[in-house]
Amino acid sequence: QQPVQSPQAVILREGEDAVINCSSSKALYSVHWYRQKHGEAPVFLMILLKGGEQKGHEKISASFNEKKQQSSLYLTASQLSYSGTYFCGTENNNDMRFGAGTRLTVKP
Amino acid sequence: GAGVSQTPSNKVTEKGKYVELRCDPISGHTALYWYRQSLGQGPEFLIYFQGTGAADDSGLPNDRFFAVRPEGSVSTLKIQRTERGDSAVYLCASSLAGGTADTQYFGPGTRLTVL
Repeated sequence: QQPVQSPQAVILREGEDAVINCSSSKALYSVHWYRQKHGEAPVFLMILLKGGEQKGHEKISASFNEKKQQSSLYLTASQLSYSGTYFCGTENNNDMRFGAGTRLTVKP
Repeated sequence: GAGVSQTPSNKVTEKGKYVELRCDPISGHTALYWYRQSLGQGPEFLIYFQGTGAADDSGLPNDRFFAVRPEGSVSTLKIQRTERGDSAVYLCASSLAGGTADTQYFGPGTRLTVL
């Protein structure tokens, strides 16, 4: 069963913040976050492996709440290059299920 | 080194025809995955190889779909008697060893159009 992402789409001005949520009805062993630009392959952002784990890369970070079976991706001070569709993937025994994606548009 | 490559980049075929899609993973990666992505959707898992064997083929939609990886490197996804509903972008990904902690690296995909 695929995870559920919210919101489906968000439009930001450069410099604004955004949060993308990912939730699953099944126990999560790991959560993977990817960004895909139109016509391109998904690009890996980060993996979260433990409950409560938080990871960050520059101004993009994520948290993983194992008990709530949720993960959130935080984008701060967004840049134009952040535009794209963000997918969370939840893995159970190498069987990766992706959410439907959140389309993020950053405008000048 | 080179990333994951897929050929062809685009394939247009007629309903009922047979197609083969090729994936060349990152050298040394033992795990290989096939996904299908429809417009506006996330990648949909099809099959996972560990080495030469299909460790999980639970995502293949029906018996028209088959995939092989005979030497543990290049993989071919084969679709028989194609239907219009098979039209999608087929993505391949590879990872070093498979497993929960492993990053999957995606190829550019093959856009399949069935007329």
